[in-house]
Amino acid sequence: GAVVSQHPSWVICKSGTSVKIECRSLDFQATTMFWYRQFPKQSLMLMATSNEGSKATYEQGVEKDKFLINHASLTLSTLTVTSAHPEDSSFYICSASIRGAQPQHFGDGTRLSIL
Amino acid sequence: DAKTTQPPSMDCAEGRAANLPCNHSTISGNEYVYWYRQIHSQGPQYIIHGLKNNETNEMASLIITEDRKSSTLILPHATLRDTAVYYCIVRETSYDKVIFGPGTSLSVIP
Repeated sequence: GAVVSQHPSWVICKSGTSVKIECRSLDFQATTMFWYRQFPKQSLMLMATSNEGSKATYEQGVEKDKFLINHASLTLSTLTVTSAHPEDSSFYICSASIRGAQPQHFGDGTRLSIL
Repeated sequence: DAKTTQPPSMDCAEGRAANLPCNHSTISGNEYVYWYRQIHSQGPQYIIHGLKNNETNEMASLIITEDRKSSTLILPHATLRDTAVYYCIVRETSYDKVIFGPGTSLSVIP
């Protein structure tokens, strides 16, 4: 089946640094990828829709300058959390679309901890 | 907002069938029903999806009512490893964004 790989799976860094998370579709081309964040005991919250070769579409309330999304190829989208602070600590998950009515496939998530 | 409503939690005895309901009364004609589950600290796992007809795969069965306003996910013989949060989602195509509701937290009890 379709596989989506996320890297890193876990990262700890100091406040003020920037962190990049990669999302790759390993065996298919994904023209559209999605980024979510999830706080403990809560559901997934959609942050943005990433389209290959164009600017990402951010959900209301998500700071586009804080969460930079790049989708430079059909198999890779990246999320960069800029100048990260402790409140950015969360579980970040990506998903990728194949086509038509096929289900989206999700990565295993990245747990980000900002000290 | 999510287009579906689900009970917040359910229990099921190990080895018994788990029946998870979902209401999607505003579903449109071209929207599919998808089910995912999320085991703690992992990304959501796809289970099954359908449009009108009932569907079955190696993991589960999906029963969709004739008016398509509700559906039921059936795990025929629940195991402890089926303990997870189950999400019911409706959307038209793979490119449409998915808004997750709170889902149903299923606990399989020995």
